[in-house]
Amino acid sequence: KNEVEQSPQNLTAQEGEFITINCSYSVGISALHWLQQHPGGGIVSLFMLSSGKKKHGRLIATINIQEKHSSLHITASHPRDSAVYICAAFSMEYGNKLVFGAGTILRVKS
Amino acid sequence: EPEVTQTPSHQVTQMGQEVILRCVPISNHLYFYWYRQILGQKVEFLVSFYNNEISEKSEIFDDQFSVERPDGSNFTLKIRSTKLEDSAMYFCASSGPREPQHFGDGTRLSIL
Repeated sequence: KNEVEQSPQNLTAQEGEFITINCSYSVGISALHWLQQHPGGGIVSLFMLSSGKKKHGRLIATINIQEKHSSLHITASHPRDSAVYICAAFSMEYGNKLVFGAGTILRVKS
Repeated sequence: EPEVTQTPSHQVTQMGQEVILRCVPISNHLYFYWYRQILGQKVEFLVSFYNNEISEKSEIFDDQFSVERPDGSNFTLKIRSTKLEDSAMYFCASSGPREPQHFGDGTRLSIL
């Protein structure tokens, strides 16, 4: 069983659509990260959260600690949002390190 | 905004050779990490470093790997005798306490 699971694996959306990417994890965590990886390979940290909700521009991340689940939402999606979105969990039960999901490949068409 | 820088961006090396990947973390960060991503696979943790010593390492980080902070700014990953399966993207990251990790753009390592 994967420690951090993401869904969907692939997502194609039309420009302007509301997008949701889901992440579930199997142990208690101290923080969950949402990361963005562009085709060139570089990784950008979008959010780190341990409870509730965070918002940055058109991006919103939520986490439900009891359900061990987090979501990343993109409002009014744009082709420049096309990237791989990765969640990663930080937990002492994982050995005090980040454990990464497989990523969701998002393509936003104009 | 300060950023983590990695050099080189692409390294091609013959199998069996030693390779050193370099990283300059953000200057006031205290925690340093190396990750790798084999093409088409998940990002995997290699090692974390704090207070001039390794604080955590994965099973991937065997005796062929070592890390060093030779001066106040650089953080290096050395692979002593490279194997074909070491071909991957290697990412360095740094953070302050309880802060998000900042990632470099990665070094693509190709072993021939």
